[in-house]
Amino acid sequence: TQLLEQSPQFLSIQEGENLTVYCNSSSVFSSLQWYRQEPGEGPVLLVTVVTGGEVKKLKRLTFQFGDARKDSSLHITAAQPGDTGLYLCAGEVSGGSNYKLTFGKGTLLTVNP
Amino acid sequence: DTEVTQTPKHLVMGMTNKKSLKCEQHMGHRAMYWYKQKAKKPPELMFVYSYEKLSINESVPSRFSPECPNSSLLNLHLHALQPEDSALYLCASSQTRAEGFGGYTFGSGTRLTVV
Repeated sequence: TQLLEQSPQFLSIQEGENLTVYCNSSSVFSSLQWYRQEPGEGPVLLVTVVTGGEVKKLKRLTFQFGDARKDSSLHITAAQPGDTGLYLCAGEVSGGSNYKLTFGKGTLLTVNP
Repeated sequence: DTEVTQTPKHLVMGMTNKKSLKCEQHMGHRAMYWYKQKAKKPPELMFVYSYEKLSINESVPSRFSPECPNSSLLNLHLHALQPEDSALYLCASSQTRAEGFGGYTFGSGTRLTVV
């Protein structure tokens, strides 16, 4: 059972465009993380959100955690080729194992110059 | 030091070989993980160690054998693997929930090819 639905799965855009990636679930999460992974490397943590309604900004990236802590979004403004990569959301289910994250299937983003 | 270091970066092994993957972190994290990742797929959890004790085994075949010699080191011993075990093996570490879990720090992975 896929607890975290991530969309879109693939996204190819031009430099300077804006985009939003969504991560949805029927489960409530204690916390949710977003990672970016480049080919041949491990995922790199971008942000952790823990409070419903929380919004965090990291330069041109804006992360939002839904009020009910069941969904999250990642918005990138004025995308650049350096933003290319696999974006993964991962959630820690409330009441679940202390250490077990559920990963979405990922969004493969390509930003063309 | 905010890194997780994995060695080797690449490994090619035969189906009768025995090899080990190594992972090291010096962030004081007391939870460490092994993940397996196939191309264009998300990471899949294999094992979790908490305070040097195995706390989660996700029904991984016995040809994969984890070991946590101390709080900084995590090994994955490999024996009699199959070609379908070829993948990127990722090590990660984190604080525990009691310490304030804030996400994983992943290593760069070991690209394993079984021939």
